Order: sequence, then C-alpha cells, then structure tokens
Amino acid sequence: TAGITQAPTSQILAAGRSMTLRCTQDMRHNAMYWYRQDLGLGLRLIHYSNTAGTTGKGEVPDGYSVSRANTDDFPLTLASAVPSQTSVYFCASSDSGDLGSGELFFGEGSRLTVL
Amino acid sequence: GQNIDQPTEMTATEGAIVQINCTYQTSGFNGLFWYQQHAGEAPTFLSYNVLDGLEEKGRFSSFLSRSKGYSYLLLKELQMKDSASYLCAPTDSNYQLIWGAGTKLIIKP
Repeated sequence: TAGITQAPTSQILAAGRSMTLRCTQDMRHNAMYWYRQDLGLGLRLIHYSNTAGTTGKGEVPDGYSVSRANTDDFPLTLASAVPSQTSVYFCASSDSGDLGSGELFFGEGSRLTVL
Repeated sequence: GQNIDQPTEMTATEGAIVQINCTYQTSGFNGLFWYQQHAGEAPTFLSYNVLDGLEEKGRFSSFLSRSKGYSYLLLKELQMKDSASYLCAPTDSNYQLIWGAGTKLIIKP
C-alpha cells in the first residue's frame, strides 16, 4: 500500500521562483496537513484541510497556499520562494474528523533548498 | 502561551530501560501523542494518551498526568534500532497538535 506519496523528494530552487510540492494519499482520509520541520524546532503546521473543498491556516501559513479539490490530493505551493523556506516539508493525513484526535500518517518528506 | 519541554538528547545502553520526559503547557488539552522519527525519515505513531495513567504497548509504554502537564515514554529492552528522535505532541483545545522539538535517543552497545 502506498499510503501517502510526496513529490519531489528533494529540490533546489532559486529565490523568487514558484514551486508546488505534491501530496497524494490513497487511504481516503478526510484530514490532511502540511508541516515544515527545521533543525531544533518542532514540526510546525503550515496549512490543513479537514475535508475536500475546505482548507485552513496553521501556525506558519505566510508564503504558502494549498488547495483541496478532492480527497486524495493536497498540493502545497510556494508562490515566490525565499531562503527562509528552506526546510523539510511533510504531508500527513488522518482519518479522524477532529483535527489532531487521530493518528497521523506521514509522507516521506520533501527536502527543499532555496538559494 | 503554549510550550513543550523535553530533553534534547539522551544516551542509553542496549538492553537497558530509558524514560523520556515531556512537560507541556497548552491552551486546553485533548490528549497527547508520542511519535518516533528515525534520521532522514518521517515520524511514525507510537502512542496516544487522553486519560491519566500508563498505556503499555509491547516494549514501549506511555504515561500521562493531566493535572501536572506531564508525560513520559518508557522504552524497555533497548535495541539499536530504537536510536531515533522521540516527539512529544499534546493537542490543544482546537485539537491542533503542538509539537516538541524532540529527544534524540542514542543507543550504545
């Protein structure tokens, strides 16, 4: 079973360029999340979606946008990348209707370097 | 504000027992998760506590005291593969997970 698939695995991006990180899950989970993980810090929530057609802002949403056109896909877009967006990005999903009350399943991560 | 405090790094010996502590302050509380994360990999679920007490699952156990804002993860019969970071994540009143920076556990032979 694939679970959650993220792409690309890693990317080097010039500052000012746009980039979309893809995330697809095959578990029919309602809730999906994007986190970034930086050395010495806990995972920080960027955006979330508790069902197809709805999205919400997390702790660090600035500079990022998401869409949830269907249950399976939850892409994250950086419209104009800046070096501070260099990070490892994790997509996650949960079958719980209440955000944070169910086990999260994570993708393998996308390592993004903005130069 | 919301705050999670867990040790940055711990070292233990193969076959031994180790306890990783986590104290937290959150706006409301709806349970606490522990996740394991091997270097370069994604976090994976270990445990979820919502009531006070000890939850045992094989070699791993997790304890919660809601009144003290305290949890610990207990790992028994340590194996080399247990070398990883352990992430404490309580949930707040909005069911948002608040993640600690994690405890890097180093297992020595």
